[in-house]
Amino acid sequence: ETGVTQTPRHLVMGMTNKKSLKCEQHLGHNAMYWYKQSAKKPLELMFVYNFKEQTENNSVPSRFSPECPNSSHLFLHLHTLQPEDSALYLCASSQDVTGRETQYFGPGTRLLVL
Amino acid sequence: GDSVTQMEGPVTLSEEAFLTINCTYTATGYPSLFWYVQYPGEGLQLLLKATKADDKGSNKGFEATYRKETTSFHLEKGSVQVSDSAVYFCALGSNYGGSQGNLIFGKGTKLSVKP
Repeated sequence: ETGVTQTPRHLVMGMTNKKSLKCEQHLGHNAMYWYKQSAKKPLELMFVYNFKEQTENNSVPSRFSPECPNSSHLFLHLHTLQPEDSALYLCASSQDVTGRETQYFGPGTRLLVL
Repeated sequence: GDSVTQMEGPVTLSEEAFLTINCTYTATGYPSLFWYVQYPGEGLQLLLKATKADDKGSNKGFEATYRKETTSFHLEKGSVQVSDSAVYFCALGSNYGGSQGNLIFGKGTKLSVKP
């Protein structure tokens, strides 16, 4: 399945580093999402973009900064993270944001903050 | 607000056993309901969905029926295989109010199937 790709697949970073996660969708969708998946916690929606415009920011700390240059690409810029930010970060896309459309997920980036 | 509650895992079954994973929801309006599956080391993928009451979603031998009267969307499979071992997520797609367009996920149920 190559509909939604994410790079890198694994990332180890120190608390003072700056890194970026990249997501690309090849499905012609208009909406893209960032989720955080931590052990023993429900999947947490972080950001939603619809037609490149951010429509949702779920009280995410400012050390996470999203960027959506076009409908096919989504970035998550990371800086001065904390160890508790270690998690699997999942990107998803859907045709629109009606709530009835299937979201297609990428494989995720496994992030470890030391 | 809208929410999804699914049975806690882990669930361990023998091959060819019957599977039920319970899911109930609370929602305003008329949500769509989804089951997603996450295999080890992968992202989530849609297993099945239903968009209105009494709809039955089915895929790969799995089934779930949208029951508005009991606000449930239980996942069933008559005969599980080792390859079904994964984490299963029930989700609600809101079409109303502030969370419109977002998926609300349950906590996930880990299924292990032994040969």
